[in-house]
Amino acid sequence: EIVLTQSPATLSLSPGERATLSCRASQSVSSYLAWYQQKPGQAPRLLIYDASNRATGIPARFSGSGSGTDFTLTISSLEPEDFAVYYCQQRSTWPPRLTFGGGTKVDIK
Amino acid sequence: EVQLVESGGGLVQPGGSLRLSCAASGFTFRSYWMSWVRQVPGKGLEWVANIKQDGSEKYYVDSVKGRFTISRDNTKNSLYLQMNSLRVEDTAVYYCARVASGVESYGLDVWGQGTTVTVSS
Repeated sequence: EIVLTQSPATLSLSPGERATLSCRASQSVSSYLAWYQQKPGQAPRLLIYDASNRATGIPARFSGSGSGTDFTLTISSLEPEDFAVYYCQQRSTWPPRLTFGGGTKVDIK
Repeated sequence: EVQLVESGGGLVQPGGSLRLSCAASGFTFRSYWMSWVRQVPGKGLEWVANIKQDGSEKYYVDSVKGRFTISRDNTKNSLYLQMNSLRVEDTAVYYCARVASGVESYGLDVWGQGTTVTVSS
């Protein structure tokens, strides 16, 4: 079973700052990685799929990079609405089982 | 509007059963893989199960294999999760979600609002 480890657990930043979130897989997942944002009381929202593709309607300040075992979600300049929890998710090659990372909380410094 | 609406959650005793439903609208349901994902309040996300467009392939997380069954009715635009032999550790908010079309990572691009399952005596 592939394990996804997200770091840091919490990131304390101010609006306007750059956020860099990491997701590391225990073995290669190729580019089969997605990122989500979740706010309190809401369902998750897909931000990035296939490691680097923004989902429909996602602002350009969100970008994803990486392949294999190391992935990064970057928020270039934090907006007030970006303070939330972020999860990465991978899909095993076959069968298509999904795994989520433990999450990174981005909070206001 | 593309929408998923879950129902069927509630309080059930350990060892009991519950059937969750998810009504889809605003898109061609039969064209998409679908998933169930759960979340213990205050904790992270856990994928539960996937089902192929025609229902011919189903996959589960190990912790629910043999106890949960995912199914769908494309004539009713509905997804289901039959949960048997429920355990306290199955307590969570259960979300149904759509697997984005043509996406290798099986990113989940549409989510319902969730339905709460509480397993307690």
